[in-house]
Amino acid sequence: DVVMTQSPLSLPVTLGQPASISCRSSQSLAYSDGNTYLNWFQQRPGQSPRRLIYKVSNRDSGVPDRFSGSGSGTDFTLKISRVEAEDVGVYYCMQGTHWPPITFGQGTRLEIK
Amino acid sequence: QVQLQESGPGLVKPSETLSLTCTVSGYSISSDYFWGWIRQPPGKGLEWIGSIYRSSGSTYYNPSLKSRVTISVDTSKNQFSLRLNSVTAADTAVYYCTSIPSDALDVWGQGTLVTVSS
Repeated sequence: DVVMTQSPLSLPVTLGQPASISCRSSQSLAYSDGNTYLNWFQQRPGQSPRRLIYKVSNRDSGVPDRFSGSGSGTDFTLKISRVEAEDVGVYYCMQGTHWPPITFGQGTRLEIK
Repeated sequence: QVQLQESGPGLVKPSETLSLTCTVSGYSISSDYFWGWIRQPPGKGLEWIGSIYRSSGSTYYNPSLKSRVTISVDTSKNQFSLRLNSVTAADTAVYYCTSIPSDALDVWGQGTLVTVSS
C-alpha cells in the first residue's frame, strides 16, 4: 500500500497569514496516463469531507483561489495564501494512483492562533 | 445538483452484519462515475472501504476489509449499498457514501454513525 505522510499534524495560524501543508507518498504518484492522482480534502468541524484540489493542482468548483496545490512525484503541498476563519478544520491528502487501496494521509488540523 | 444520503441501523451487534444504503438524487448512478464508501472512526482519520464503477460493475475493495465487504448497486432505486460482515468494535465509525475516486465529481453524504456494541 502507498503510505501518505503529512506534516505538520497540527498547524496553528494567525488570521490573514499563509499556511502550508506537506504530503509525501511512499512511491511516486505519477501514473502511466500522464496524470498524478493526488487530491486534497478539507473536513470542517462536524461536516463531511469535501475535495479542494484534484490531480495535484486543479481546484474544485467553488473552492476559493487562496487554496493552491503543487508538487510532483512523491512530494506535494497544499497552500493557503491568507487563512480565514472558515478554513479551520482537518486537511487530508489522498492518492488514487496505486489502488486499491486508495490511501489518505493522517490529517493536518488547522486552527487559528 | 447531485446529493447522497446514507441510511441504515445506527447500532449493530458484534459478529453481525452492518448494512448501509446510499440514495443518490440528481443523477442516475447507472450513467457513470465511481460510487463508494469511506469510514472515519471517532476522532480519527479517513479509511477507504471500497468503490464500484457503475458502467462496468467492477468493484474495488480495501484489501484490509476485502474478505468482509460487499458493495452493490440497485439501479432501479438509484441506490448503492455496503455490507460488512462479522463486525467488531473496531468497525465503529461514521460511514460516508461518496463518489470517490471519480475525478469529475466530488460528492459526499452527511455520514452516519454506526456503533458496534451488544
